[in-house]
Amino acid sequence: NAGVTQTPKFRILKIGQSMTLQCTQDMNHNYMYWYRQDPGMGLKLIYYSVGAGITDKGEVPNGYNVSRSTTEDFPLRLELAAPSQTSVYFCASSYWAAVSEGTTQYFGPGTRLLVL
Amino acid sequence: KQEVTQIPAALSVPEGENLVLNCSFTDSAIYNLQWFRQDPGKGLTSLLLIQSSQREQTSGRLNASLDKSSGRSTLYIAASQPGDSATYLCAVRAGETSGSRLTFGEGTQLTVNP
Repeated sequence: NAGVTQTPKFRILKIGQSMTLQCTQDMNHNYMYWYRQDPGMGLKLIYYSVGAGITDKGEVPNGYNVSRSTTEDFPLRLELAAPSQTSVYFCASSYWAAVSEGTTQYFGPGTRLLVL
Repeated sequence: KQEVTQIPAALSVPEGENLVLNCSFTDSAIYNLQWFRQDPGKGLTSLLLIQSSQREQTSGRLNASLDKSSGRSTLYIAASQPGDSATYLCAVRAGETSGSRLTFGEGTQLTVNP
């Protein structure tokens, strides 16, 4: 298994440009997540999905959109890039079978985004 | 709102030393707590996951403890090695009925000097 893969690894955007960060997992996980990590900080949840066709906002959703048309893919869309969106973006996935105490999340290598 | 704090923010130790990293959380109604390792420019790797019903978990030289009532967890690293140098992140899954959302601390940057 490749696990969680993200593309691109690095991108420079101009203010106002748009882009899509790609995330794919091959572990048949139902839950997927997008986090951002600012320098010296922990990760903050942007959006998450509990299955194909279902998404929900996390802690910092403003300026982002997501879709989940398949189990494997969970792209993150930035419509009008702003300098405040300069960050490292991590995608993660996990398998959640029932109301239980939870299982570990598996993370991709991250996408480094610079908005100038 | 759940808040997670990690102390210290940075730690530098000589090789071979035993060390403790601390994590505290404000809402004790958690489902589990995870410790992650993050190498520079890389993603996160899960080290240990402690369920809310457990007191500790061990993996090799790593031992993590959980005290839900006091809102604390510690990660103990025995006989540290230069290869242990990384940022260690603590994350809790709080009392949500849907999703498995994690709240992260800001991390402890560990340097083990040869």
